[in-house]
Amino acid sequence: DAGVIQSPRHEVTEMGQEVTLRCKPISGHDYLFWYRQTMMRGLELLIYFNNNVPIDDSGMPEDRFSAKMPNASFSTLKIQPSEPRDSAVYFCASNFLGFDSPLHFGNGTRLTVT
Amino acid sequence: DQQVKQNSPSLSVQEGRISILNCDYTNSMFDYFLWYKKYPAEGPTFLISISSIKDKNEDGRFTVFLNKSAKHLSLHIVPSQPGDSAVYFCAARRDNQGGKLIFGQGTELSVKP
Repeated sequence: DAGVIQSPRHEVTEMGQEVTLRCKPISGHDYLFWYRQTMMRGLELLIYFNNNVPIDDSGMPEDRFSAKMPNASFSTLKIQPSEPRDSAVYFCASNFLGFDSPLHFGNGTRLTVT
Repeated sequence: DQQVKQNSPSLSVQEGRISILNCDYTNSMFDYFLWYKKYPAEGPTFLISISSIKDKNEDGRFTVFLNKSAKHLSLHIVPSQPGDSAVYFCAARRDNQGGKLIFGQGTELSVKP
């Protein structure tokens, strides 16, 4: 079990540029989540998918953010255009539907927008 | 609206002593609570959980207590070890929302030798 794999681990970009974060969930998991961690707000849920379908995107901060899950083994989170306030650590997580199933997180992507 | 709050951003404890991390929540519909542990440059990992039908759950050195009337839960680590130094996140979930978790802001625990 390779766990949830995120890439890149670090991303430094200039304001106005497009940023794409990638995630490969654990095989067989049918839920995928994107979280963002900041000092001020802790871990915030941005969006989550069930069976590749977006279920709740109410946490996506603005239209500049978009997420896709074209298949069961891949998801992207895109920010266009990026702004300095988007600087944070972005985590992807996955799990099975079920009361006793914890989230399995990837190691995150640290995004810095200058 | 912060539905899950961890009011202590940091905590320092001596090795061998008890660590107590606290968490408060506002939504009475939460029925499942979890603690996650996070080391630097890694993702959070699941530590322990408790259902709202219980008031205590124990796993080795880790015990979680739930006080529903006060909307408060706590994580006790006894005895604390230097390897326990990490950020601890409290999270709450409503079962009918699948796996959706609401996290607190985290408490950084430092266990000193």
